[in-house]
Amino acid sequence: DAKTTQPNSMESNEEEPVHLPCNHSTISGTDYIHWYRQLPSQGPEYVIHGLTSNVNNRMASLAIAEDRKSSTLILHRATLRDAAVYYCILRMDSSYKLIFGSGTRLLVRP
Amino acid sequence: EPEVTQTPSHQVTQMGQEVILRCVPISNHLYFYWYRQILGQKVEFLVSFYNNEISEKSEIFDDQFSVERPDGSNFTLKIRSTKLEDSAMYFCASRGLGETQYFGPGTRLLVL
Repeated sequence: DAKTTQPNSMESNEEEPVHLPCNHSTISGTDYIHWYRQLPSQGPEYVIHGLTSNVNNRMASLAIAEDRKSSTLILHRATLRDAAVYYCILRMDSSYKLIFGSGTRLLVRP
Repeated sequence: EPEVTQTPSHQVTQMGQEVILRCVPISNHLYFYWYRQILGQKVEFLVSFYNNEISEKSEIFDDQFSVERPDGSNFTLKIRSTKLEDSAMYFCASRGLGETQYFGPGTRLLVL
């Protein structure tokens, strides 16, 4: 299974942008890049996904490097509710199972 | 907004007992999944299910586990003879034709 590397934790101030990095140097051409998050005591929640181009939705933006070996999840204005563990996951073309790593724990300071 | 629901929210059982965890996926979704998360550890894939068949399963999903879609709405995970190490949060997820998996709130299983 394709691996991702994320920092263990990051901190942000409320209402400031947050850039969460993810390295996936072994990504193959057909792997989708997914981001999910898990708020305390809740199930994982979809955030965004992409293949090659940058993506925007109401929750976040996903910036994918040109060589696809890394990506960055951007929260434009962090709120206290965004404090969660953020998982960067590669979804292989042959399977829809999600392989979760340890993720990045985001702390948002008021 | 439609959501995945799971029952019960908490279940306590004795080792060796059978448990059934229930999930109601989002209606019109076709693909169903179970994951689990042992306290303090990663979320782990257990099984995927489509068209009344298991499409993929992990090494964790051994003969003690089974899944079923007994009617048009429920999706269940059965553990035949629970072990202490089965204690975990169990998450159901469903997916339509797109990429997104929608997760339920989980069932916390405690095996004593």
